[in-house]
Amino acid sequence: AQSVTQLDSHVSVSEGTPVLLRCNYSSSYSPSLFWYVQHPNKGLQLLLKYTSAATLVKGINGFEAEFKKSETSFHLTKPSAHMSDAAEYFCVITGAGSYQLTFGKGTKLSVIP
Amino acid sequence: DTAVSQTPKYLVTQMGNDKSIKCEQNLGHDTMYWYKQDSKKFLKIMFSYNNKELIINETVPNRFSPKSPDKAHLNLHINSLELGDSAVYFCASSQVNIQYFGAGTRLSVL
Repeated sequence: AQSVTQLDSHVSVSEGTPVLLRCNYSSSYSPSLFWYVQHPNKGLQLLLKYTSAATLVKGINGFEAEFKKSETSFHLTKPSAHMSDAAEYFCVITGAGSYQLTFGKGTKLSVIP
Repeated sequence: DTAVSQTPKYLVTQMGNDKSIKCEQNLGHDTMYWYKQDSKKFLKIMFSYNNKELIINETVPNRFSPKSPDKAHLNLHINSLELGDSAVYFCASSQVNIQYFGAGTRLSVL
């Protein structure tokens, strides 16, 4: 069984300041982990993925995430928030057969001008 | 061209009605999915098909029936709609473990 826990349901940052969205996972095997973003009234878009290669993963729009096995974490960061980053972010882990994704409950990111 | 497209985008209907949501992907993927997103934004998988065969069937009411006429299409039919069915339904497709999502269908049952 696997699960992900997003530690904050809502994060608010000022434009130009760093973003940190936290995700912890639980898995009985080596997982693949993803971050997806959902802008208001839109579908989900893949930001980045970790699939057992480099532990620091770079994604689109300046986001990156670091896989830390010892801490069972996969936190999402960005050095400088932009207004267009305001959205819902989901941390996701794959299932045993790699067909099934398990989603975290999401973190809403608000960016204050 | 939209990679994963679903129709309609919005669906408003009365309790007890039967409705369908269509999904098509032009990515050549073998696997397609239906997810339900509730009002708290929680996403839960409902079904998955691989090459037209059902591979994941989570605990959903049997009023929900997916149909895959070919591997590019996965439609969702819902019978006897209930208030609790109101949600956003997302279709997705994948090759290996990266999933691509449609824009969603917002279903409102009155």
